[in-house]
Amino acid sequence: GAVVSQHPSWVICKSGTSVKIECRSLDFQATTMFWYRQFPKQSLMLMATSNEGSKATYEQGVEKDKFLINHASLTLSTLTVTSAHPEDSSFYICSARADRTYEQYFGPGTRLTVT
Amino acid sequence: AQSVTQPDIHITVSEGASLELRCNYSYGATPYLFWYVQSPGQGLQLLLKYFSGDTLVQGIKGFEAEFKRSQSSFNLRKPSVHWSDAAEYFCAVGPQGAQKLVFGQGTRLTINP
Repeated sequence: GAVVSQHPSWVICKSGTSVKIECRSLDFQATTMFWYRQFPKQSLMLMATSNEGSKATYEQGVEKDKFLINHASLTLSTLTVTSAHPEDSSFYICSARADRTYEQYFGPGTRLTVT
Repeated sequence: AQSVTQPDIHITVSEGASLELRCNYSYGATPYLFWYVQSPGQGLQLLLKYFSGDTLVQGIKGFEAEFKRSQSSFNLRKPSVHWSDAAEYFCAVGPQGAQKLVFGQGTRLTINP
C-alpha cells in the first residue's frame, strides 16, 4: 500500500531556531501534498497545500514567511518552521495525494516542541 | 462554508458492544466523505470513504458507514468493538479528488474491558 513517511518523528528545538520537517511519498508520485497542524486533543487544521514546481497555497491566518514550504520533487515536500517559538509547538502531519488515484495518504506526524 | 460536526467528543463503550459515531456535514456540492482513525501519537488511517453509489459503505476493521443525504449525516458503525478500537476518530469532507479536506473535531473512543 501507499506509504508516506515524515522525518523527524519528533524534534525539540530552542526558541529562535529553525526546524525542517520532511514528508516523502515512498512508492507513489504526489504532485500535491498537504500540511496540517494538530493541537493536543483537537482536530487537524490545514495549513497549506504544497504543489510540486510552484508556490504553496497557504490557508487564511497561516504566516507564509514563518512556515516555509518547498515541494522539490514529486515525492518530497518540506516544511520549515522559521524562528520557532513555544507557541509553534504542535503535531504536524503531512499528506500526499497520489497522482494516479487521487487518494490522500497521511504521514505519521512530527511532534515539535520548542523550548 | 463547508464544515463537519462530530457531536460526541468522547464515547465509552464496553468491549463487544455496538458502536455508532455521529458525523454531520455542511457542504455546497456533492460531498466526498471520509472516516479516519488516529491512534495516540500517530498519523491518520483511512477507515472508509463515500464518493457515490451505495450509501452503505464497508471499510476496514469491520467498520461501516451510512450516507444519508436528507440528514447530512455520515455515521460510522461497528457491530462489536474490540479493545484495539480505542482511538480518536475523525470524519472529513472534501471536494472531488480529495483535496483540502475539512475535518470534524474528532471523537475519542474508550473501550471498557
